[in-house]
Amino acid sequence: EPEVTQTPSHQVTQMGQEVILRCVPISNHLYFYWYRQILGQKVEFLVSFYNNEISEKSEIFDDQFSVERPDGSNFTLKIRSTKLEDSAMYFCASSVGSPLHFGNGTRLTVT
Amino acid sequence: GQQLNQSPQSMFIQEGEDVSMNCTSSSIFNTWLWYKQDPGEGPVLLIALYKAGELTSNGRLTAQFGITRKDSFLNISASIPSDVGIYFCAGRKDSGNTPLVFGKGTRLSVIA
Repeated sequence: EPEVTQTPSHQVTQMGQEVILRCVPISNHLYFYWYRQILGQKVEFLVSFYNNEISEKSEIFDDQFSVERPDGSNFTLKIRSTKLEDSAMYFCASSVGSPLHFGNGTRLTVT
Repeated sequence: GQQLNQSPQSMFIQEGEDVSMNCTSSSIFNTWLWYKQDPGEGPVLLIALYKAGELTSNGRLTAQFGITRKDSFLNISASIPSDVGIYFCAGRKDSGNTPLVFGKGTRLSVIA
């Protein structure tokens, strides 16, 4: 069964550094999402992307965040200047209809 | 923002017991989804519900979309150790592909 793949599985970075989290959505899917889950908490929406542009974003997705689909297969989340509170699991998801299919996440640790 | 209230927060049950958890909202949702998350992994879709009153099963799992469209429940029958994990309800208020809103999850522990 096709799946959403995310790399790396774990990223450790120093505060103030830039990170890029990578995702390969399921190939025939059209809608792409990033969600975040702080340890022990619920899954929170960051941004959705369709037709090569952001369709919705939450208040968490401020100017330090950006997303890109640089080619036909990858979908990336960039955090420009990481803060300690950015430490979380970041999940990519994609869909063609209603249910979202999630990757296994990237655990980001900001020190 | 939209809130989903999920309960219970956690449950400890004996293997073989049935489990029930639910999700409520103060506003109407058009879609309810139930996901399971194992440690270190992403949420995996269990059941999707699209119509008020709909009752859908997936093996030992059964979920219902409440008639008022403001709630949903998930039942697991005859629990087994691999049912351990966090179960999340998620809802979509509008049609189409607007973002899902997640509940805070129910952590299920199964004692063999």
